[in-house]
Amino acid sequence: RKEVEQDPGPFNVPEGATVAFNCTYSNSASQSFFWYRQDCRKEPKLLMSVYSSGNEDGRFTAQLNRASQYISLLIRDSKLSDSATYLCVVNKGSGNTPLVFGKGTRLSVIA
Amino acid sequence: NAGVTQTPKFQVLKTGQSMTLQCAQDMNHNSMYWYRQDPGMGLRLIYYSASEGTTDKGEVPNGYNVSRLNKREFSLRLESAAPSQTSVYFCASSHIGTGNTDTQYFGPGTRLTVL
Repeated sequence: RKEVEQDPGPFNVPEGATVAFNCTYSNSASQSFFWYRQDCRKEPKLLMSVYSSGNEDGRFTAQLNRASQYISLLIRDSKLSDSATYLCVVNKGSGNTPLVFGKGTRLSVIA
Repeated sequence: NAGVTQTPKFQVLKTGQSMTLQCAQDMNHNSMYWYRQDPGMGLRLIYYSASEGTTDKGEVPNGYNVSRLNKREFSLRLESAAPSQTSVYFCASSHIGTGNTDTQYFGPGTRLTVL
């Protein structure tokens, strides 16, 4: 099983749609979870951290299921500006350990 | 506050040439990282420095060396470039502390082509 696995997409959705991305991770000792966003030919930028209780930031909702080792990102009311690649990111274990990046899921929001 | 800066932005090398990629951060972060990103491969960690004075290998260290010059600067050196090292290189930094504050902040990247 890969350390972090994501559906590569692309997801092509109309403006206003709701879209969900899923991610699985293999290391049960992982403690930190993130979603990053990467625009074409740009650097990755933090979208949001993912907490055990789930968290929301405007139109974005992240969920973590430790038992299933599964992370999700829900985007409501998609905007054209949401078009990007979304990277699922997990640390290798507890404490100060490097992050492992998924290959990303590409989203295109169409007018 | 510039965040993480990288130089150069673009570089073309011939096989066998050497070069150093520079990275600096002004956020007083303890940890710094070098990644490469290839199509279909995602970000792969080359080397990292958890704190000033320490460096560790990541997933793909072969063909690279690093120097943590001081808390601000972390350089990546290709001693004898190969076409397989054609990639986009990203530097990142983070402040490791309590409470999982290991969010990484990335520089704009260096696009390297080795002919």
